[in-house]
Amino acid sequence: NAGVTQTPKFRILKIGQSMTLQCTQDMNHNYMYWYRQDPGMGLKLIYYSVGAGITDKGEVPNGYNVSRSTTEDFPLRLELAAPSQTSVYFCASSYPLEPYEQYFGPGTRLTVT
Amino acid sequence: AQTVTQSQPEMSVQEAETVTLSCTYDTSESDYYLFWYKQPPSRQMILVIRQEAYKQQNATENRFSVNFQKAAKSFSLKISDSQLGDAAMYFCAYRSDHTQGGSEKLVFGKGTKLTVNP
Repeated sequence: NAGVTQTPKFRILKIGQSMTLQCTQDMNHNYMYWYRQDPGMGLKLIYYSVGAGITDKGEVPNGYNVSRSTTEDFPLRLELAAPSQTSVYFCASSYPLEPYEQYFGPGTRLTVT
Repeated sequence: AQTVTQSQPEMSVQEAETVTLSCTYDTSESDYYLFWYKQPPSRQMILVIRQEAYKQQNATENRFSVNFQKAAKSFSLKISDSQLGDAAMYFCAYRSDHTQGGSEKLVFGKGTKLTVNP
């Protein structure tokens, strides 16, 4: 199993540009999550999904959109990038049952200038 | 809403010694799950240990163990025989029991940076 994969690993965007961060998991997990990690901080939840076709906002959803058309994929869309979105983005997935461990992707480092 | 507090931004330990990282949380729920994640310089988030709140016995995983004090809402991580490879950011995280109406989300603390000195 590849686990949770994310692309790209690094990206530099100009202010106002848009992009999609890709996330795929091959563990047949129902739950998927997007987090952002700012320097010196913990992870903050952007959006999450409990299954295909179902998404919900997390703590910091503004400026982002998600979709979940399949169990495997959970892309994160940034519209009109702003410097405040400079961060490291992590995708994660988990089973809906105990032990609820979340498996994380390797992260995408995004810089908006 | 639940909150997780890690009061030690940085800690250091000598190789082969023992170190304890602190974590407290605030919740009104009775059923929940607690986790410690390790984030080395590679940025990969790695699960170190988990604890179910309904279990009185403290979890252990090789050199890693927890001291779970439910009444005090405390969940500290003890690393024994510290190794250079243990150097990393350590995050404490809380998850509700969604079968009891709680959220499926993890709430993270801000992390503790652990340095291991040779």
